Amino acid sequence: NAGVIQTPRHKVTGKGQEATLWCEPISGHSAVFWYRQTIVQGLEFLTYFRNQAPIDDSGMPKERFSAQMPNQSHSTLKIQSTQPQDSAVYLCASSFRREGERLFFGHGTKLSVL
Amino acid sequence: QQKVQQSPESLIVPEGGMASLNCTFSDRNSQYFWWYRQHSGEGPKALMSIFSNGDKKEGRFTAHLNKASLHVSLHIKDSQPSDSALYFCAVSMGMGYKLTFGTGTSLLVDP
Repeated sequence: NAGVIQTPRHKVTGKGQEATLWCEPISGHSAVFWYRQTIVQGLEFLTYFRNQAPIDDSGMPKERFSAQMPNQSHSTLKIQSTQPQDSAVYLCASSFRREGERLFFGHGTKLSVL
Repeated sequence: QQKVQQSPESLIVPEGGMASLNCTFSDRNSQYFWWYRQHSGEGPKALMSIFSNGDKKEGRFTAHLNKASLHVSLHIKDSQPSDSALYFCAVSMGMGYKLTFGTGTSLLVDP
């Protein structure tokens, strides 16, 4: 079991460019979560899917962020027109059932917006 | 909106000592409580959960929950240098709800 796989590990974009982050959950897990981690804000919930359906996107900045889960083997987080304040480590996690269950996190994608 | 606060922000304990981490949450309807640990360059990893009031022990780790006082704690006995990491308390309202993470405690075990 390779665990949750996130690619790329590091991404550098220029201000105003688009960034797409990829996540492959653990096989058989039905829920996928996205979190953002910064020194100042800590671990912030962004959004989650269960059985590929979007369930809660209450943490997503409305205008430039979007997430999708087109199949059970991967999810993407897309940030349009990236800004320096988007610089963070973006963490994907999966769980066997639903919230309240143990989350298994990937190593994260460190996004740096110059 | 759920608020989860942790104290202290940072903690140094000698190798073999006891580390005590605290967490307070704001919503009395919270149901599930987890402790996660994150080493540098990795994602957080679940340490243990506690769902009922009282103590729960797993090896060197003991979690304590008091829902009435909105408080959960983690105690690490016989601390090892490998325990040096960032520790997060995480709270969920129940099945069907997301995990809200606390502000984190940075633990350094001094060999």
